[in-house]
Amino acid sequence: GDSVTQMEGPVTLSEEAFLTINCTYTATGYPSLFWYVQYPGEGLQLLLKATKADDKGSNKGFEATYRKETTSFHLEKGSVQVSDSAVYFCALTLNQAGTALIFGKGTTLSVSS
Amino acid sequence: EPEVTQTPSHQVTQMGQEVILRCVPISNHLYFYWYRQILGQKVEFLVSFYNNEISEKSEIFDDQFSVERPDGSNFTLKIRSTKLEDSAMYFCASTTSGGAIETQYFGPGTRLLVL
Repeated sequence: GDSVTQMEGPVTLSEEAFLTINCTYTATGYPSLFWYVQYPGEGLQLLLKATKADDKGSNKGFEATYRKETTSFHLEKGSVQVSDSAVYFCALTLNQAGTALIFGKGTTLSVSS
Repeated sequence: EPEVTQTPSHQVTQMGQEVILRCVPISNHLYFYWYRQILGQKVEFLVSFYNNEISEKSEIFDDQFSVERPDGSNFTLKIRSTKLEDSAMYFCASTTSGGAIETQYFGPGTRLLVL
């Protein structure tokens, strides 16, 4: 069935390090892809999204490119900060099948100074 | 900035008891959702709701679950007879319209523990 697979965490980095969190998906049709972030004690917030192949979503220095050929949507940031410590969720919706988000398991990122 | 709120933040209940989880979506939003996350597992879709009707539901959303918008602001999830496996974090979300590319705004969650 339709699913999202994320790299297992936790990911531990030093401030200013480069971040990649891998995300791959399996879907029938052409999904829209999302990254959500959850800071401690808060709800999930949309970080960025892409709705078609080769689109790049970006926000707060984070980027992800919708790669149809590899069914991937990897999250990257060139220089992480302590304030980026959070749980990151990759997700998709199936455009022809409603609006329910299908999530990956989440990846915990911990950034130290 | 408007936000989705949920109450209570934590709830402990005995197996077989009924629980009602409450959500206040963002005021001009029209589509409402419930998701849950069992500890260590994925966030899973339960149900979506629009115009006082269920729009979509997952296999998880069986007869023991129900949703309601009892007034103009609240959106509730009722679990009629809780089971141990209902222990999870429950998230409410809302969005302005029902498109698949729309941003869903999430509340902070209610952690439910069934003993």
